[in-house]
Parts: sequence; structure tokens; C-alpha cells
Amino acid sequence: DSGVTQTPKHLITATGQRVTLRCSPRSGDLSVYWYQQSLDQGLQFLIQYYNGEERAKGNILERFSAQQFPDLHSELNLSSLELGDSALYFCASSGETGLGVTQYFGPGTRLTVL
Amino acid sequence: GENVEQHPSTLSVQEGDSAVIKCTYSDSASNYFPWYKQELGKGPQLIIDIRSNVGEKKDQRIAVTLNKTAKHFSLHITETQPEDSAVYFCALASGTYKYIFGTGTRLKVLA
Repeated sequence: DSGVTQTPKHLITATGQRVTLRCSPRSGDLSVYWYQQSLDQGLQFLIQYYNGEERAKGNILERFSAQQFPDLHSELNLSSLELGDSALYFCASSGETGLGVTQYFGPGTRLTVL
Repeated sequence: GENVEQHPSTLSVQEGDSAVIKCTYSDSASNYFPWYKQELGKGPQLIIDIRSNVGEKKDQRIAVTLNKTAKHFSLHITETQPEDSAVYFCALASGTYKYIFGTGTRLKVLA
């Protein structure tokens, strides 16, 4: 158990809808990362927050947004969902930020868009 | 942009044999190279990592080697056991704060 929690575990929704995925980092970790894992794209970095502020952006679509709250939990919002958004979404956390920090992954949220 | 090539995509070995997975990269500024193990239905779990100022690191049956000149790093698992069966991902820290992951290797250890 990495200490990172994600809810919900599974989510099934329809195209055009909006969903929110939630992540609680390990105790004491200030940095949260979001990743998308799909069969054809592998593990893709989406976005990182550090202590409430956006720190880095990866391949995140404009339909997707995220935020990190004062209690350090983070939410990933996915809107106008398309079939291709079906994937596993992982959150990871680390104590520090920058190159070479160890990231600890949560169990993921499986999103299915029908 | 930066990418990581990981080979092989699938690997089957007999229990007790060794397994080697290799990743190559292009960005010479990368300085952190973790390896993750992902079991079915779970998130990736860090199993070993290496930094650019070290050529090799070992942790029991697992070792990682890094060749910065050739820009490749490898995961070595010795005396494989059935519980080693999983998908293994290499990664590297490149650019500012983002991680680039390899495409994964599905390792199957045959009993």
C-alpha cells in the first residue's frame, strides 16, 4: 500500500458527461501528479501540483482540469467526455518536487465512457 | 520531444532464470531513472531507481544499470519467481518536473 488513495475505483459514464476524480496524497506529501494509462498510449503524464499550485503540465487536454486544495487533496475534472477518454487514471504523490524525486502511485480510477 | 524506448514488450522466462529489460532515451539531461512494477488491477509500484551519478544499483534480486554515454538503462531480475510476473515500466525524469514512461514489458515467469 503506497499510502495514496483514489476515489472512486470505477466510474462508468456516457459521452458528453463530466466526472471528477479524487486523490489524497501520502501523509506529508506536498506534490500530486496525475497520469492517464490507456492501452494504446501507455502511461502519460497529465499535470502536477505542488502545495496548491500548478507546477508542470504534460499531455492534458483542454477538456480536463485539475486543482489541489489547501488540505492537499487533488481533483481531476474531465468534461465533454469522449469514448477515447476511457482509461485508468492514476494519481501519484511525492514529498518534494523537481528532478529525481520518488513518486508513489495510488491504485487508480478506471473510467469507462459509453 | 523526449521519449523512452523499452524492450522487449513481452518476456517469458522459466522460474529461476534471469530477466533483463532495457530502456533507451535521448535527452542527456535526464538524471533520474526509476523502475516500476505494475500488477493487475494496481497502480505502478517503485521497485528500484538510479541516479545519473551512479552506474549500478542492486537490491536483493533486482539490479539496475545505467550507461549515460550510450543513453540506456536496464533492469535485471535474477532467480525469477512466479510473483515477479507483472508489467514493468522504466521511466526517467526529463525537462522540468515531468516523468516520461516507457511502454512497459509484460514479464511472465513460468513455473
